[in-house]
Amino acid sequence: IAGITQAPTSQILAAGRRMTLRCTQDMRHNAMYWYRQDLGLGLRLIHYSNTAGTTGKGEVPDGYSVSRANTDDFPLTLASAVPSQTSVYFCASSDSTGFSSGANVLTFGAGSRLTVL
Amino acid sequence: AQSVTQLGSHVSVSEGALVLLRCNYSSSVPPYLFWYVQYPNQGLQLLLKYTSAATLVKGINDFEAEFKKSETSFHLTKPSAHMSDAAEYFCAVSDRRLGNQGGKLIFGQGTELSVKP
Repeated sequence: IAGITQAPTSQILAAGRRMTLRCTQDMRHNAMYWYRQDLGLGLRLIHYSNTAGTTGKGEVPDGYSVSRANTDDFPLTLASAVPSQTSVYFCASSDSTGFSSGANVLTFGAGSRLTVL
Repeated sequence: AQSVTQLGSHVSVSEGALVLLRCNYSSSVPPYLFWYVQYPNQGLQLLLKYTSAATLVKGINDFEAEFKKSETSFHLTKPSAHMSDAAEYFCAVSDRRLGNQGGKLIFGQGTELSVKP
């Protein structure tokens, strides 16, 4: 089934540890995004990538890094996790190159729930 | 920079009643506007989008939204609520096409819709 796969689904992590959230899409979408969702704050953009080999900062990039080595994968890394990074993380992708009904919209993964203690 | 304000973090309606979820946006250029729905423990799904065509946009499950430039609003409505509509709804704005035009989707804080029998 075409879509976005995120892993892990859920993780409890000690503060100070390094963590990588994985995101893979099989739709050949050129753009990918990472959001965090917190109660009362909606979704906030962490980092994005308009195409393989390029990345950019979103609204809340501090403490996070991303890479985009190929079209399909867009991992998010927390170099040294802190409790304020406890959140639900959503990966999303977009096809901006076409004009179908699926173009210019975000397709979301199911999310990764991260708890930092 | 663009922004979105959703009025009311929680809306409760009776089954069969009108649903109205309010969204106001700020954008220095003609915006792209979206409504997404999130069911419990799931990712976000697109309800509908406005991309400078017709101002009244119809989406899935009988939802629709009207773009009103003079009011900078994009309120979501549904004539008759169903129990299955209970979910969280997010309004989002972008100032350009997503992906290679550099567009990034900025979300509102979300409105939780409850439907009473």
